[in-house]
Amino acid sequence: DGGITQSPKYLFRKEGQNVTLSCEQNLNHDAMYWYRQDPGQGLRLIYYSQIVNDFQKGDIAEGYSVSREKKESFPLTVTSAQKNPTAFYLCASSMALSQETQYFGPGTRLLVL
Amino acid sequence: GENVEQHPSTLSVQEGDSAVIKCTYSDSASNYFPWYKQELGKRPQLIIDIRSNVGEKKDQRIAVTLNKTAKHFSLHITETQPEDSAVYFCAASEGTNAGKSTFGDGTTLTVKP
Repeated sequence: DGGITQSPKYLFRKEGQNVTLSCEQNLNHDAMYWYRQDPGQGLRLIYYSQIVNDFQKGDIAEGYSVSREKKESFPLTVTSAQKNPTAFYLCASSMALSQETQYFGPGTRLLVL
Repeated sequence: GENVEQHPSTLSVQEGDSAVIKCTYSDSASNYFPWYKQELGKRPQLIIDIRSNVGEKKDQRIAVTLNKTAKHFSLHITETQPEDSAVYFCAASEGTNAGKSTFGDGTTLTVKP
């Protein structure tokens, strides 16, 4: 399970606040992904990045932003524009976008105060 | 875009029985179909996958079958054990975007001792 880490494990957000979730990998993977998981639902893609300094919107990008300044890091910011941010957030990576096997981080649970 | 439907949403079996989970997909261009297992509070992990050039793949007690004509694929677990209890997700993706999968909503499998 090592190789891709997320922090913090739990995060609390106050109304109107932006919060940033960390994702780091030491697998030398080019592609990284952010998913949101809600109870009873599958994983929904928020953003993905094929390579450093490049990222694309997924299916539910509104209210979120990302950066990919380093190969190892793909932080996700949940902005105040995201009105329903309470969820379990999973980061994943794969060798390349064309490579199927994804490796997931342990997740961050975001709660709204 | 791709749409993946997964059934049933919950499944309860007696230890030693078989379990079958089915998924259908909409995009005929999809050619990679992984299955992930997520234990409570943990990250999803790949348990088996299949590509469109084969119809069946087995790995010990787990097998996956694919019917490209009907656009459906299934996970079969034989001789179930309590440690098989988890949420199982199917996914589908296509070629050069193989890492960018569309997930089903998950099946909660409970194996009763």
